[in-house]
Amino acid sequence: EPEVTQTPSHQVTQMGQEVILRCVPISNHLYFYWYRQILGQKVEFLVSFYNNEISEKSEIFDDQFSVERPDGSNFTLKIRSTKLEDSAMYFCASSPQGGNQPQHFGDGTRLSIL
Amino acid sequence: RKEVEQDPGPFNVPEGATVAFNCTYSNSASQSFFWYRQDCRKEPKLLMSVYSSGNEDGRFTAQLNRASQYISLLIRDSKLSDSATYLCVVINTSGTYKYIFGTGTRLKVLA
Repeated sequence: EPEVTQTPSHQVTQMGQEVILRCVPISNHLYFYWYRQILGQKVEFLVSFYNNEISEKSEIFDDQFSVERPDGSNFTLKIRSTKLEDSAMYFCASSPQGGNQPQHFGDGTRLSIL
Repeated sequence: RKEVEQDPGPFNVPEGATVAFNCTYSNSASQSFFWYRQDCRKEPKLLMSVYSSGNEDGRFTAQLNRASQYISLLIRDSKLSDSATYLCVVINTSGTYKYIFGTGTRLKVLA
């Protein structure tokens, strides 16, 4: 069964550094998402991406965050200047289309900011 | 009021028991509903979509009550492997299909 893949599985970064999280969505999917989950808390929406542009972003997704689909297969989340509170599990998800189609999640990148 | 509310549990039940979880949502215009399961420090995995007429998949039954704005998940004949956190997920009609998650209900099935 096709799956969403994320790399790296764990990223440790110094505060203030830039970090790029990578995702390869399922190949025929059109909608892409990033979510995050701080340890012990619920999963929170960050951003959705469709037709090569952001379709919605949450309050968490401030100017330090950006997303890109550089080559038609990868979908990246960049955090420009990381803060301690960015430490979380980051999940990428994709769905074939919107509406009631369920999203498929990658196994996440654990980001630890020191 | 939270957008999606769940009892965090934990629910500790013996093997073979039947257990039910509820989830309430605040936006009456919500369109799509799902149950996901999440094992410790892993990704959410789709358990089942929830349809207006209710639906069943093996030991799992999901129901939707639009009038009262809640969805439920019933697990029959619990197995040790059912131990996980069950996440209620709602999509509103914002057009972007973003997921709104509940905090999850923790289930522990005991031998």
